[in-house]
Amino acid sequence: QTVVTQEPSVSVSPGETVTLTCGLSSGSVSTSYYPNWYQQTPGQAPRTLIYSTNIRSSGVPDRFSGSILGNKAALTITGAQADDESDYYCVLYMGSGIWVFGGGTKLTVL
Amino acid sequence: EVQLLESGGGLVQPGGSLRLSCAASGFTFSSYAMSWVRQAPGKGLEWVSTISGSGGNTYYADSVKGRFTISRDSSKNTLFLQMNSLRAEDTAVYYCASSILLMVYAPGYWGQGTLVTVSS
Repeated sequence: QTVVTQEPSVSVSPGETVTLTCGLSSGSVSTSYYPNWYQQTPGQAPRTLIYSTNIRSSGVPDRFSGSILGNKAALTITGAQADDESDYYCVLYMGSGIWVFGGGTKLTVL
Repeated sequence: EVQLLESGGGLVQPGGSLRLSCAASGFTFSSYAMSWVRQAPGKGLEWVSTISGSGGNTYYADSVKGRFTISRDSSKNTLFLQMNSLRAEDTAVYYCASSILLMVYAPGYWGQGTLVTVSS
């Protein structure tokens, strides 16, 4: 079974740019996987940041952007802020109605 | 504004059953796919099931196939998840989510979740 891979943890300094990735244990991610990105803080429900690769959800600051970089989906935060410290999850469409989440990335802003 | 409110969670013994509900408002319920996503304590998100807007197509993760049934009642703008033969590993917060796009069924708008605990 194909596994969706994410960095377990990433650190960034305030004001810097950071890119989180979402890959496959076998193969390359393309727009056909309709990658979505979610942000979750402890005790809260997930919040959709990006859907269908690069469409920003309503109310999401434009410092968040989505793309395909090489063979992975990517979430870039330009000018990280302290309140961006959260868990970030991607999900990919595997076909036949099946979606698979990555294991999540814990982003630390310090 | 899209609003999703889950209910029906609680404590159930292994092998038991539970039915979750999700009341939806703020959008044309019958037009959008709906999903259930769960999160075990301290773990990541896991997609569980999706149902198309018409209710004619349903999809399940292998981990719940044959035990869980997703359904919807468009007259009541409500999504359901019937969970049978529950196991300890089904313990999680269960979120309902609507899609943002009509033809792409990814979870988009999220409810606050309801906790299901499977324990004797």
